[in-house]
Amino acid sequence: GAVVSQHPSWVICKSGTSVKIECRSLDFQATTMFWYRQFPKQSLMLMATSNEGSKATYEQGVEKDKFLINHASLTLSTLTVTSAHPEDSSFYICSARVFTGELFFGEGSRLTVL
Amino acid sequence: AQSVTQLDSHVSVSEGTPVLLRCNYSSSYSPSLFWYVQHPNKGLQLLLKYTSAATLVKGINGFEAEFKKSETSFHLTKPSAHMSDAAEYFCVVRGGGATNKLIFGTGTLLAVQP
Repeated sequence: GAVVSQHPSWVICKSGTSVKIECRSLDFQATTMFWYRQFPKQSLMLMATSNEGSKATYEQGVEKDKFLINHASLTLSTLTVTSAHPEDSSFYICSARVFTGELFFGEGSRLTVL
Repeated sequence: AQSVTQLDSHVSVSEGTPVLLRCNYSSSYSPSLFWYVQHPNKGLQLLLKYTSAATLVKGINGFEAEFKKSETSFHLTKPSAHMSDAAEYFCVVRGGGATNKLIFGTGTLLAVQP
């Protein structure tokens, strides 16, 4: 199946700094990617839908100025957590949709904010 | 609105015995339903999906699920558990209308005892 790769898989940062997470579709082009957040022992919550060449669509309650999403190419979407705080510590997962409509997920990125 | 309820947060079985992970859904449309598996530090992998074709859906690794409209259920089963099946399993429904979003259940952690 299609491969989606996230980088970094684990990042630790100081409070107040910004962190960028990349999501790449390695062997296909994805016009639409999705970003999820997973709290410990909880389900995945959709944060935003990222469309190539246009602004991301954020879910209700997600701060767009806090979680900046850029989808500048058909194989790369980035999530930047700006001015990170400890409550932003979480597991962030991206997925990309292939032309059949099926979704493929990245391995996830664990963010720890000290 | 669509939703899914996974009735068990933890399930423990012995190797070689059957697996049953329960999922009930709520949908005002004819739903599309999925089961995903998440192994530690790995991305989510699609096990199987139901999209209004056959009600008994066969997936990878010997898993299958049966769509029962009368019971609004989509339970995941496997006749004989293997140690490698230990993981977190998510029941997922696709949002209706133009959203096409995936709505995740809270997950069931499957433990397989030797």
